[in-house]
Amino acid sequence: KAGVTQTPRYLIKTRGQQVTLSCSPISGHRSVSWYQQTPGQGLQFLFEYFSETQRNKGNFPGRFSGRQFSNSRSEMNVSTLELGDSALYLCASSPPGNEQFFGPGTRLTVL
Amino acid sequence: AQKVTQAQTEISVVEKEDVTLDCVYETRDTTYYLFWYKQPPSGELVFLIRRNSFDEQNEISGRYSWNFQKSTSSFNFTITASQVVDSAVYFCALSDANRDDKIIFGKGTRLHILP
Repeated sequence: KAGVTQTPRYLIKTRGQQVTLSCSPISGHRSVSWYQQTPGQGLQFLFEYFSETQRNKGNFPGRFSGRQFSNSRSEMNVSTLELGDSALYLCASSPPGNEQFFGPGTRLTVL
Repeated sequence: AQKVTQAQTEISVVEKEDVTLDCVYETRDTTYYLFWYKQPPSGELVFLIRRNSFDEQNEISGRYSWNFQKSTSSFNFTITASQVVDSAVYFCALSDANRDDKIIFGKGTRLHILP
């Protein structure tokens, strides 16, 4: 089985721009979660989608949003980028009630 | 509120030594899951173990072992006969058993295995 894939792997944007990151879960997994990893704050939960519905949400501003498609693929969007949004964004997928499998991440740099 | 504390920010040991990574957690939930993940330099988080709060049995998997003690809210991870390939950042994590897709991570312990 192919693992979780995330595109792009690296991204450079400037302040004020918006960005969309994509995550394709493992085949058969319907839950997709997103995390932000920074040196200062560590790994923080952003949100989780299941069957195209957001089920859980972390403590992030409204500039961070996401969605999930009928094929379980998910995208997350960050609008009006700030320098502090520079981070590794990790996506994880899981079947119901089981552990999460993480993708390689998208490293976003905001200049 | 849930919280995971990994007091050891960075550890260095010489290859073949044993090393224990500490993890202390806080939660008001009666049922929860505890996890350990490994993050090598490539960045991808690798799942190591998930433990249900009702299962306090220690677990051994090859050179890895985990000691779960509910009385002290600890879930420590030991690597026996460490190898250079074990060098990575290790994260301890916690989730509500009913919402196990929202995981709270500790800050991680960076482990250096020196040849």
